[in-house]
Amino acid sequence: DAKTTQPNSMESNEEEPVHLPCNHSTISGTDYIHWYRQLPSQGPEYVIHGLTSNVNNRMASLAIAEDRKSSTLILHRATLRDAAVYYCILVGWAGGTSYGKLTFGQGTILTVHP
Amino acid sequence: DSGVTQTPKHLITATGQRVTLRCSPRSGDLSVYWYQQSLDQGLQFLIQYYNGEERAKGNILERFSAQQFPDLHSELNLSSLELGDSALYFCASSVELTGELFFGEGSRLTVL
Repeated sequence: DAKTTQPNSMESNEEEPVHLPCNHSTISGTDYIHWYRQLPSQGPEYVIHGLTSNVNNRMASLAIAEDRKSSTLILHRATLRDAAVYYCILVGWAGGTSYGKLTFGQGTILTVHP
Repeated sequence: DSGVTQTPKHLITATGQRVTLRCSPRSGDLSVYWYQQSLDQGLQFLIQYYNGEERAKGNILERFSAQQFPDLHSELNLSSLELGDSALYFCASSVELTGELFFGEGSRLTVL
């Protein structure tokens, strides 16, 4: 499985932007980049995903490097509720369905200070 | 609410026992995934089913087994339980067109 590498932890102040990096140098052409987050005592929650182009949704933005070997999750204005563990994972596609073990790494623990 | 339902939410049992965890995926989702999360191991992928068939397998112990039924609900069976099996067990289902995973709230298993 293609692996992802993320910093163990990051800190931010409330209402400031946060850039969470992820390296995935062995990504294959059919791998989508997905981000999930896990708030304390909850199951992981989908945040955003993309293939090649940058993506925006109501939660965050995803910036994907031109060579696709890295990506950055951008929270435009961090809130206390954004304090969570953020996971970057690669999801392969074939035959119209996802495949692979969808392995979660250790993720990045984001701390948001008031 | 993700739409994925897991039961029971909490379970306390003794070593050597057997338990069954149940998962109902979101309506229309054909894939079901099981994950184990313990304090020292993070989120570990166990197994994936797609429309009743096993699709991918992770580090699932031989004492553990799973299946997905025709109505698409899934069960994870854990037998000969050991103290180290104490963990949160998450089920997720996926939207096949996007691969987005929807996780349930988990079943917390405590083995005494």
